[in-house]
Amino acid sequence: DTAVSQTPKYLVTQMGNDKSIKCEQNLGHDTMYWYKQDSKKFLKIMFSYNNKELIINETVPNRFSPKSPDKAHLNLHINSLELGDSAVYFCASSQGVTGTEAFFGQGTRLTVV
Amino acid sequence: KQEVTQIPAALSVPEGENLVLNCSFTDSAIYNLQWFRQDPGKGLTSLLLIQSSQREQTSGRLNASLDKSSGRSTLYIAASQPGDSATYLCALKVIFGQGTTLQVKP
Repeated sequence: DTAVSQTPKYLVTQMGNDKSIKCEQNLGHDTMYWYKQDSKKFLKIMFSYNNKELIINETVPNRFSPKSPDKAHLNLHINSLELGDSAVYFCASSQGVTGTEAFFGQGTRLTVV
Repeated sequence: KQEVTQIPAALSVPEGENLVLNCSFTDSAIYNLQWFRQDPGKGLTSLLLIQSSQREQTSGRLNASLDKSSGRSTLYIAASQPGDSATYLCALKVIFGQGTTLQVKP
């Protein structure tokens, strides 16, 4: 069983479209994260939810909106996609907010054309 | 604000060598430090987690140390193998270093 799973794995879409990426974890964790890895492979935190509450909201365009329907799911919706949104997006989960061991999904490679 | 730096950015060694990867951080008030491995086109695999109260952790040929006073952690890989080739990242909570890309040549 995959611990943290993201769908889709690949996403190619045109500029201006709206798309969603889904993430689910079966580890029983209460904290989930979205990261963006750019073309230089640098990983940057975007959002974090703890028990469905937003606790980290870094400086990202408000076209990005996370939604956590329950502790096991954290989805990322992106409106009006731009070329610069092309990147790999990673979901992760951990137990608690004090930096316990984090587990990552396999990533979603988003390409905006 | 926490900053995490990894040096070198890239490293190439012959098979069998022991090697050390470095990670430095600016804020010593940490909970723990985690080392990851990332293979090309793949997700991150957790290698070792060192709690702030610990000095080191070992897993197989890997040994990670933590010195909060100097703001440093090292990942020691013994008897490197071509299969160790990957990018190694350290992270403090949600802040990641830039990674060290390791190539082990047969």
